[in-house]
Amino acid sequence: AQKVTQAQTEISVVEKEDVTLDCVYETRDTTYYLFWYKQPPSGELVFLIRRNSFDEQNEISGRYSWNFQKSTSSFNFTITASQVVDSAVYFCALNTGGFKTIFGAGTRLFVKA
Amino acid sequence: ETGVTQTPRHLVMGMTNKKSLKCEQHLGHNAMYWYKQSAKKPLELMFVYSLEERVENNSVPSRFSPECPNSSHLFLHLHTLQPEDSALYLCASSQSAPPLSNGYTFGSGTRLTVV
Repeated sequence: AQKVTQAQTEISVVEKEDVTLDCVYETRDTTYYLFWYKQPPSGELVFLIRRNSFDEQNEISGRYSWNFQKSTSSFNFTITASQVVDSAVYFCALNTGGFKTIFGAGTRLFVKA
Repeated sequence: ETGVTQTPRHLVMGMTNKKSLKCEQHLGHNAMYWYKQSAKKPLELMFVYSLEERVENNSVPSRFSPECPNSSHLFLHLHTLQPEDSALYLCASSQSAPPLSNGYTFGSGTRLTVV
């Protein structure tokens, strides 16, 4: 069975704080792809990153960084020095090569000024 | 201009009405999708079209009927819906199906309310 768990339903931080959004996945496939998407209040989900199962290198993009650890089946997302514009719902997702991408339930992030 | 455009943004319809949701992309993508986003439920894949052919129909009730006349346009025809069908309907596209390289490009969705 494939599953994506985002245990944090809502997180609230004050601007400039660092925040980590957790994502734990389950799959028996050895080849798979992990994604993060951001859904701002306007509604559209915005693609942030893709990682395949053979590439465990962590990635940094500006204030965003991702920590992929196969040993714990986790693909966590950290925002450094958060800003009000980071307020959104963030989704972690898993695809094992088929047409179906499994999304987690999402984590709603509030960043207060 | 956003990559994927959905119209209308909001729709209120009665259970006996027939309406259609429209999605348009000019990104040169070959695959298009309909997703349903309900409150407190994960995103649910409804339909997948690749090169204008339906390749996935995820056990969706027949009151939802997709149409893909060309690679740039996707419709979702609605008839005799139920109140539990109220949700945000998101259209997405990708370079190819499945969307393994750069993920999906999503539209802003149609907020549907069935009364």
